[in-house]
Amino acid sequence: QVQLQQSGAELVKPGSSVKISCKASGYTFTSYDMHWIKQQPGNGLEWIGWIYPGNGNTKYNQKFNGKATLTADKSSSTAYMQLSSLTSEDSAVYFCARRSQYYFDYWGQGVMITVSS
Amino acid sequence: DIVMTQGALPNPVPSGESASITCQSSKSLLYSDGKTYLNWYLQRPGQSPQLLIYWMSTRASGVSDRFSGSGSGTDFTLKISRVEAEDVGVYYCQQFLEFPYTFGAGTKLELK
Repeated sequence: QVQLQQSGAELVKPGSSVKISCKASGYTFTSYDMHWIKQQPGNGLEWIGWIYPGNGNTKYNQKFNGKATLTADKSSSTAYMQLSSLTSEDSAVYFCARRSQYYFDYWGQGVMITVSS
Repeated sequence: DIVMTQGALPNPVPSGESASITCQSSKSLLYSDGKTYLNWYLQRPGQSPQLLIYWMSTRASGVSDRFSGSGSGTDFTLKISRVEAEDVGVYYCQQFLEFPYTFGAGTKLELK
């Protein structure tokens, strides 16, 4: 069965960077886009961008240009998102989600990132 | 960016009653292929969102037929018939017509 297993919670300092992962299983990793979505406490969902693991193509929400960098490792079926120059506004839960046709059919469990000194 | 605006529910909703959640988009989500690129998700407490409805009215695999989606190009409704305890959570509409994909702010359903 399809599973997206995300890495654990992170506590990071302002100004630093963090890289979180999303390990896919149960399907051909290189055949589906992987998307990333941000959810701040008590807030809704915000789309960050996607990567196509088959060729590494990416597309970002303009709002996250320079903030988020998406990569993928085909050998381990793992997608990554690096967030840089972290501030308190980056404290949130981050989900990876697989796109099938025109919707997200499978989601990871989410990673909570807390930015605090 | 396309703005998605969701309505509130008159919470709490009595168990067994129906509930309708509205969503409005700032741009028509009806594409030239005849499909309307509007999805609905439910996020139960402490869980990830799960897909309920796609293309405005198509139920996702395994989703109860108590859930139904309808609407036009810019105004949408998710109807939940015979509300049950497992329906509690926050419902989000999302447009998949163009980048950046955007979500509504969410509508919370509480059970009486």
